[in-house]
Amino acid sequence: ETGVTQSPTHLIKTRGQQVTLRCSSQSGHNTVSWYQQALGQGPQFIFQYYREEENGRGNFPPRFSGLQFPNYSSELNVNALELDDSALYLCASSSGGRREDYTFGSGTRLTVV
Amino acid sequence: KQEVTQIPAALSVPEGENLVLNCSFTDSAIYNLQWFRQDPGKGLTSLLLIQSSQREQTSGRLNASLDKSSGRSTLYIAASQPGDSATYLCAVNDNNNDMRFGAGTRLTVKP
Repeated sequence: ETGVTQSPTHLIKTRGQQVTLRCSSQSGHNTVSWYQQALGQGPQFIFQYYREEENGRGNFPPRFSGLQFPNYSSELNVNALELDDSALYLCASSSGGRREDYTFGSGTRLTVV
Repeated sequence: KQEVTQIPAALSVPEGENLVLNCSFTDSAIYNLQWFRQDPGKGLTSLLLIQSSQREQTSGRLNASLDKSSGRSTLYIAASQPGDSATYLCAVNDNNNDMRFGAGTRLTVKP
């Protein structure tokens, strides 16, 4: 049984650029949720994908978008990067569209300069 | 809108002490509550999940309690060890599948 894998682990981008973060869900899980965690804060829910459809979204602007693929892996895309987008981005997989029994990845540390 | 607060923000204790971390939430209509551990710069590891109908859950030296009516949960760690040093996060899941985290308690256990 494989866990949740995120790539890349670290990334530095310039303000205004676009970035794509990737997540492979745990074997047997069909649901992926993305969270943004600023330094010293708890994770904030961005959105969730269940069976390739968006299944809930937090209070994030449209420049945050996502995809889920038939193998249940997922991408998070952020356009027009801002300095405040600097954070740890966490992916969590689960089953059945629920936000519980999560398995979290180790995250991608994004720095926007 | 559910608000989750964790007190204290940071805690330092000598090895061997028993300790309690606190979590409070504003809306008692919850589906479940989870406690997570996070090591620096890493993802979250689930420690305990308490369903809304339950009062407590135990795993090894950890015990989590839930009092929905008062909007509180506690995480009790017995006989703390240096390896317990991490940030502990509380997360509340409501009936609308909305999960909200507290900002965490940063625990340091000194040898």
